Amino acid sequence: KAGVTQTPRYLIKTRGQQVTLSCSPISGHRSVSWYQQTPGQGLQFLFEYFSETQRNKGNFPGRFSGRQFSNSRSEMNVSTLELGDSALYLCASSPDNYGYTFGSGTRLTVV
Amino acid sequence: AQTVTQSQPEMSVQEAETVTLSCTYDTSENNYYLFWYKQPPSRQMILVIRQEAYKQQNATENRFSVNFQKAAKSFSLKISDSQLGDTAMYFCAFMPSNDYKLSFGAGTTVTVRA
Repeated sequence: KAGVTQTPRYLIKTRGQQVTLSCSPISGHRSVSWYQQTPGQGLQFLFEYFSETQRNKGNFPGRFSGRQFSNSRSEMNVSTLELGDSALYLCASSPDNYGYTFGSGTRLTVV
Repeated sequence: AQTVTQSQPEMSVQEAETVTLSCTYDTSENNYYLFWYKQPPSRQMILVIRQEAYKQQNATENRFSVNFQKAAKSFSLKISDSQLGDTAMYFCAFMPSNDYKLSFGAGTTVTVRA
């Protein structure tokens, strides 16, 4: 059974650009969550989707957005990138919101 | 808002010995879930063990066990017979049962020495 797949693994972007990260959940998992991990702030919740509906959102500016497709795949987008957006972005999926399986993450570097 | 506190930034243990990681949390919720995740240098977060708050029995997964004290809001992880592959950052996490958001502690780096 394939795990949670995140693409790309690494990304380098310039300030002011936008970026889209992709997450394919485990087959059958309908809940997908996104987290940002930085050395200073640790792991912070971005948002969670279930059946294409956002059910919860963290305290991030509107530059951070996401969506979920009918096949449960999810994308997150960050517009007008800032240096502080450099982080490891983790996606997690769950069949029942109890016990999330994480992907390997996308390492975003903003220069 | 829920907060999760891991008071030990780093711990070191000899191979085959036992180490216990502490975690406390603050919440007004009565129904919730608690988790321990492991993040090795490969950076993938791996679920180690989970506990439902309504269950009094402590969860166990092979060499990993927890001591869940609901009244004290404490959720410690014991790693028995430590192996070199246990070297990783360990995160304690909390999630209310009617929520879809994990709140993580700052993590404890565990190093297993040969």
